Amino acid sequence: GNSVTQMEGPVTLSEEAFLTINCTYTATGYPSLFWYVQYPGEGLQLLLKATKADDKGSNKGFEATYRKETTSFHLEKGSVQVSDSAVYFCALTGFQKLVFGTGTRLLVSP
Amino acid sequence: DAGVTQSPTHLIKTRGQQVTLRCSPKSGHDTVSWYQQALGQGPQFIFQYYEEEERQRGNFPDRFSGHQFPNYSSELNVNALLLGDSALYLCASLPGPNNEQFFGPGTRLTVL
Repeated sequence: GNSVTQMEGPVTLSEEAFLTINCTYTATGYPSLFWYVQYPGEGLQLLLKATKADDKGSNKGFEATYRKETTSFHLEKGSVQVSDSAVYFCALTGFQKLVFGTGTRLLVSP
Repeated sequence: DAGVTQSPTHLIKTRGQQVTLRCSPKSGHDTVSWYQQALGQGPQFIFQYYEEEERQRGNFPDRFSGHQFPNYSSELNVNALLLGDSALYLCASLPGPNNEQFFGPGTRLTVL
């Protein structure tokens, strides 16, 4: 079945550092790929998405490229801020439902 | 335009009891999906409702049931609660079954 694997956290960075959170997937067909963010005590917000191979999703300085050959969708940001501290979930669509990874907690210190 | 709303925000129940959670979708959305997010885990798909019918179901027992009303709002019912049902329950609405999902803030259920 479809599945998503994310790097375990927490990821601890200083402000303005470079961020990479790894995500790989297993899926039949050609799913759309997503990154969601969850701030403390809140629901999920869509951060970015890509619907086909080689697409790059981007939002708020975050980027991720749909790599079919490596079945990956790694999240990157050039310079993180304290306000980026949250849990990040990689997800894919399969048969109308979202399949999520276990999440990666990001902690950014001043 | 209000987003997806869920009620209640928090709920405490004891083992064996029954619970009903409610979700109102975004304006213009006719499809609702429910997810369970256990502590420290990613959300798991429970089921999806469209045109007042359950269209797809995840790997959850029959104790989990739902309903969608003509105004597209939805309820999630859980019977015979277990300690393991303690989780954040998320509702997502979509403008049709194969579209982007918009999540509500969730209902945190604690089973004692």
